[in-house]
Amino acid sequence: QKEVEQNSGPLSVPEGAIASLNCTYSDRGSQSFFWYRQYSGKSPELIMSIYSNGDKEDGRFTAQLNKASQYVSLLIRDSQPSDSATYLCAAPNSNSGYALNFGKGTSLLVTP
Amino acid sequence: NAGVTQTPKFRILKIGQSMTLQCAQDMNHNYMYWYRQDPGMGLKLIYYSVGAGITDKGEVPNGYNVSRSTTEDFPLRLELAAPSQTSVYFCASSQDRVHEQYFGPGTRLTVT
Repeated sequence: QKEVEQNSGPLSVPEGAIASLNCTYSDRGSQSFFWYRQYSGKSPELIMSIYSNGDKEDGRFTAQLNKASQYVSLLIRDSQPSDSATYLCAAPNSNSGYALNFGKGTSLLVTP
Repeated sequence: NAGVTQTPKFRILKIGQSMTLQCAQDMNHNYMYWYRQDPGMGLKLIYYSVGAGITDKGEVPNGYNVSRSTTEDFPLRLELAAPSQTSVYFCASSQDRVHEQYFGPGTRLTVT
């Protein structure tokens, strides 16, 4: 079973700090990776996608991909209390070719 | 553009009852998916569809059925509900394979 692993947390950071969320994956064939944010009681919301090695920035969010190490991360700069949520990492399921394998998510708490 | 819609939002079923969870999308996406999410267990794929008339099983299909008669709609049928089917169900869609998936608001189902 190809897997996506995340530390469940909770990760607690003070307001204004950088939050760093990490994810590892086992399928070396994975070519694309996604970060979803899920507030309690709500559905996952896509916030970042990354397809090539290196960094991709979008506002306060930066996704980093290292295919050699099978590692993808999400940095949130100037963290706000509204960033408190569970962050899900996902990669394509190489068996089905169509669906995503999701990690169990990392809970982030940004304290004022 | 409503995106992905799901009905109902909440439902309580008795053991052995049946029901259909509705899902519709107005983005003209070919790919649609059903996931269930249990606390601390992440998202598990139940069924997916790559186009009208084509469906396939995911990781946890037992106890469920789907159909895809149109591009827009992808209902999930529960036959003979069991307590193990108590979960939150999310429908998602994507334009292409292994690309960004967009989720509906979810249906919270309790089987007692």
